[in-house]
Amino acid sequence: IQMTQSPSTLSAYVGDRVTITCRASQSISSWLAWYQQKPGKAPKLLIYKASNLESGVPSRFSGSGSGTEFTLTISSLQPDDFAAYYCQRYNNYPYTFGQGTKLEIK
Amino acid sequence: EVPLVESGGGLVQPGRSLRLSCTLSGFTFGDFPLTWVRQAPGKGLEWVGFIRSKAYGGTTEYAASVNGRFSISRDDSKSIAYLQMNSLKTEDTAMYYCARDLGRLDYWGPGTLVTVSS
Repeated sequence: IQMTQSPSTLSAYVGDRVTITCRASQSISSWLAWYQQKPGKAPKLLIYKASNLESGVPSRFSGSGSGTEFTLTISSLQPDDFAAYYCQRYNNYPYTFGQGTKLEIK
Repeated sequence: EVPLVESGGGLVQPGRSLRLSCTLSGFTFGDFPLTWVRQAPGKGLEWVGFIRSKAYGGTTEYAASVNGRFSISRDDSKSIAYLQMNSLKTEDTAMYYCARDLGRLDYWGPGTLVTVSS
């Protein structure tokens, strides 16, 4: 199952609302996670089971979707949010990640 | 405190072997499956493989790109998991991460860098 993430790069201002999309080549139910990765650091889990916020993650992050189409939304961008974001399906093995979205400051 | 820490990375020649370790602390190691993920320089994340807990047989799964060359094992008495990498290729050059696997990967180590070059 392939995961297609878009856009690959996104430029936005602090305070903007942004959405990243992840599409699966076949249904994965809600078995999808989102990660944030900053340069030189390990990924950090943000969202699991498509829409569940990981403990400690700010509420401006939200996830939605099921089946084959999923979105990660950041409601009001903060300076700390400029990073790379990845989706990951985990309905079965092998797990696959989206190719990533680099969120840049405009 | 980071509950997982990888070690064992370094520079290795093509065709040689290397063993990475993933040490856990702060929770009961044996209860959880573990996954290895890698990231080539400037590239995205690639799932490498996984080992189930002993309660589920301690069996393993691998990505096609490493199947037959890499193997994962665990020593629950020492709270360590291993990634044995044989017949290394230049394309195996990457940062290697271990992560606690609940399906979602909720805890990650800081990673260890493997460079395969002559």
